[in-house]
Amino acid sequence: AQKVTQAQTEISVVEKEDVTLDCVYETRDTTYYLFWYKQPPSGELVFLIRRNSFDEQNEISGRYSWNFQKSTSSFNFTITASQVVDSAVYFCALSERVNKLVFGAGTILRVKS
Amino acid sequence: EAQVTQNPRYLITVTGKKLTVTCSQNMNHEYMSWYRQDPGLGLRQIYYSMNVEVTDKGDVPEGYKVSRKEKRNFPLILESPSPNQTSLYFCASSFRGYSNQPQHFGDGTRLSIL
Repeated sequence: AQKVTQAQTEISVVEKEDVTLDCVYETRDTTYYLFWYKQPPSGELVFLIRRNSFDEQNEISGRYSWNFQKSTSSFNFTITASQVVDSAVYFCALSERVNKLVFGAGTILRVKS
Repeated sequence: EAQVTQNPRYLITVTGKKLTVTCSQNMNHEYMSWYRQDPGLGLRQIYYSMNVEVTDKGDVPEGYKVSRKEKRNFPLILESPSPNQTSLYFCASSFRGYSNQPQHFGDGTRLSIL
């Protein structure tokens, strides 16, 4: 069965600190996709990134970077030089065959000025 | 503007009073889905639809119904709401039902069942 674990319920950092959000997943499929979504205080869900199981290259987009390690079934998300606007709930999600997303419980990130 | 629109955004109602949450997308997407979000549980899928007239249960379908008579619309029906259905609900869509496609989410509907 598929499962996503985000062990960090809440993280607080001071602006400009780097922060890493952990995501560990379980799946029996060899083909799957991993996603990160951001939910700001306004409540909508914003797609951040998609990674397929065959592509283990890390990805960087501005201050955001993602580290995918199949050996440890992890897909961690790092924000460099955090800003107050990064305060949100972040969800990691897994999708196998049909486009059904299995979400982790989410990590609340609070960035203080 | 490409979007998924849910109505209402907020609703407070009483146990047993039938309600419908509408969802409409203007992107000609085949796949649509409903999720509920609860603290500590993330989002869980209620129902999904691969195309018109094709629907299937997700992980938590009890107490809900859906229909897909038109491609753009995917209403969520609570025939006899109960307090444990108090939650934040999201509708989502993607071009196809393949697992690699990011889903576009509506802004959410907060339901309170008293």
